[in-house]
Amino acid sequence: KNEVEQSPQNLTAQEGEFITINCSYSVGISALHWLQQHPGGGIVSLFMLSSGKKKHGRLIATINIQEKHSSLHITASHPRDSAVYICAVGRQGAQKLVFGQGTRLTINP
Amino acid sequence: NAGVTQTPKFQVLKTGQSMTLQCAQDMNHEYMSWYRQDPGMGLRLIHYSVGAGITDQGEVPNGYNVSRSTTEDFPLRLLSAAPSQTSVYFCASSYTLTGVPEAFFGQGTRLTVV
Repeated sequence: KNEVEQSPQNLTAQEGEFITINCSYSVGISALHWLQQHPGGGIVSLFMLSSGKKKHGRLIATINIQEKHSSLHITASHPRDSAVYICAVGRQGAQKLVFGQGTRLTINP
Repeated sequence: NAGVTQTPKFQVLKTGQSMTLQCAQDMNHEYMSWYRQDPGMGLRLIHYSVGAGITDQGEVPNGYNVSRSTTEDFPLRLLSAAPSQTSVYFCASSYTLTGVPEAFFGQGTRLTVV
């Protein structure tokens, strides 16, 4: 079993829909990252969080440390949100990141 | 421009050739790492460094060498390229702030070994 599991692996939705991507992990962590990777592009860090909730524009990230679970939400989704979203955790006491397999999101106009 | 710079963006190698992927950061980060990304798999750690002169192996180190002579640079060397090393490679750097890492990624290098 992977230390970081994302669901769903693929998600297709219509423009305007509310999107939720989930991440569960099995190790103690110091922080959790949500990353975005566009086709053919590099990786951009969206959020780093260790507790609670963060919001940036239409993106919201939440984390529940007790349940070892995080969600990334996109409100009023747009085709330009189409990308692979990656969850990564930083283990406690270490600087290595452990990555989920990614969720491929496609938003149709 | 601040950030992580990777070169080249694309590379085609013949089996057995060697090459070096360059990675540089200008943020004075202590921690640098190299990952490979393959279809259907998450990013996997190849090698990492926690400071100049210090390197260590990650999850998939075989066939790769690294060195960290300066804080800024962390090159990845392929000693004798194999088709199994066809992948997209990402360099990342991070600093520590009360033990919580924040990672910055390069644009990636798409390597094909024929």
